[in-house]
Amino acid sequence: QKEVEQNSGPLSVPEGAIASLNCTYSDRGSQSFFWYRQYSGKSPELIMSIYSNGDKEDGRFTAQLNKASQYVSLLIRDSQPSDSATYLCAVNGAQKLVFGQGTRLTINP
Amino acid sequence: GAGVSQSPRYKVTKRGQDVALRCDPISGHVSLYWYRQALGQGPEFLTYFNYEAQQDKSGLPNDRFSAERPEGSISTLTIQRTEQRDSAMYRCASSLASEGWEGYQPQHFGDGTRLSIL
Repeated sequence: QKEVEQNSGPLSVPEGAIASLNCTYSDRGSQSFFWYRQYSGKSPELIMSIYSNGDKEDGRFTAQLNKASQYVSLLIRDSQPSDSATYLCAVNGAQKLVFGQGTRLTINP
Repeated sequence: GAGVSQSPRYKVTKRGQDVALRCDPISGHVSLYWYRQALGQGPEFLTYFNYEAQQDKSGLPNDRFSAERPEGSISTLTIQRTEQRDSAMYRCASSLASEGWEGYQPQHFGDGTRLSIL
């Protein structure tokens, strides 16, 4: 079992809809969780961090964390074509990040 | 500079040669990390430093790989006797490190070095 698992996609969402990205992790001791966006050929860019159970909102992005279920999600509201990218879930274990393989998201105009 | 700077951006070399990849972290960032990213995968941890001290090198694949950060700023990842399987994108990241909160600090990535071994 991989330490951090994501559905690789591709996930296709119409413009203006809500995109929902999911991630599960295996280390119950993990304390911090991050979502990175990576455009093709570019470096990962941090878009959200979350440390406590519940929701955290930043603009059109909402991160959700459920430590009991070992589950992290990212919601993107009012999806735009510019949101088309690979989204990487990362979990911090002993100061090093463990990444999932990423979910490729395509927003269709 | 404002972000993490890596050089060279591209490196092509013949199998068996040694290569050195450089990373200059964000000014003021104490922690520096090296990752390797294969196509279609997330970055995979290699090693990290707090200041000049190498804290964890458990991700280095074998003893051909080494890293240093002698003055607590710029870091070099060295691969000796390169093999074709070493071909990948090598990424450096840095973060602030507040004592006791290191695991909570987000890591910021550079543009990476694309290494190709012929």
